[in-house]
Amino acid sequence: GAVVSQHPSRVICKSGTSVKIECRSLDFQATTMFWYRQFPKQSLMLMATSNEGSKATYEQGVEKDKFLINHASLTLSTLTVTSAHPEDSSFYICSASARGSSGANVLTFGAGSRLTVL
Amino acid sequence: GEDVEQSLFLSVREGDSSVINCTYTDSSSTYLYWYKQEPGAGLQLLTYIFSNMDMKQDQRLTVLLNKKDKHLSLRIADTQTGDSAIYFCAEIGGYNKLIFGAGTRLAVHP
Repeated sequence: GAVVSQHPSRVICKSGTSVKIECRSLDFQATTMFWYRQFPKQSLMLMATSNEGSKATYEQGVEKDKFLINHASLTLSTLTVTSAHPEDSSFYICSASARGSSGANVLTFGAGSRLTVL
Repeated sequence: GEDVEQSLFLSVREGDSSVINCTYTDSSSTYLYWYKQEPGAGLQLLTYIFSNMDMKQDQRLTVLLNKKDKHLSLRIADTQTGDSAIYFCAEIGGYNKLIFGAGTRLAVHP
């Protein structure tokens, strides 16, 4: 089945630094990937839709200059949290869309990246 | 607008059946999904159902869809401790984005 790899799984950084998270589709091509953020004991909040070869589409309230998304190839999307602050600490999860066996559009998720900003 | 609602918590005894309920608002959703999230992990697709189906069974999992009431349920038969997790239902919203419920935390006790 479709596999999405996300790296790093955990990252701790100092306030003011930038952190890059990678999301790869391992055995399929993904023209569209999605980035979610999850706060403790809460649901997933869609941050942006990453489109291969074009600009990402950000959800309302998400700062595009703070969360830079690059989708340079059909198998890789990156999320860079720029000038991270403690309030950016969260669990970030990427996903990619693949066709299921019955034709359904199925979102496959990465394992998530826990960011802690000190 | 698009909205998915679930009860937040369910506690069951090992070996019993678990039923997790979900209501959604977008009647045009072609597929509805159930995902499982274990602590500190990403989401794992459990199953999905096409909107023109009433029921789908997959081993211990049974999905029931009442399209008229916009109600989706997930039944887990013979619940095991390994089934303890958060279960999210989701519908396809505009621009093919998945809209998630808040998640139901399933606790399985001996």
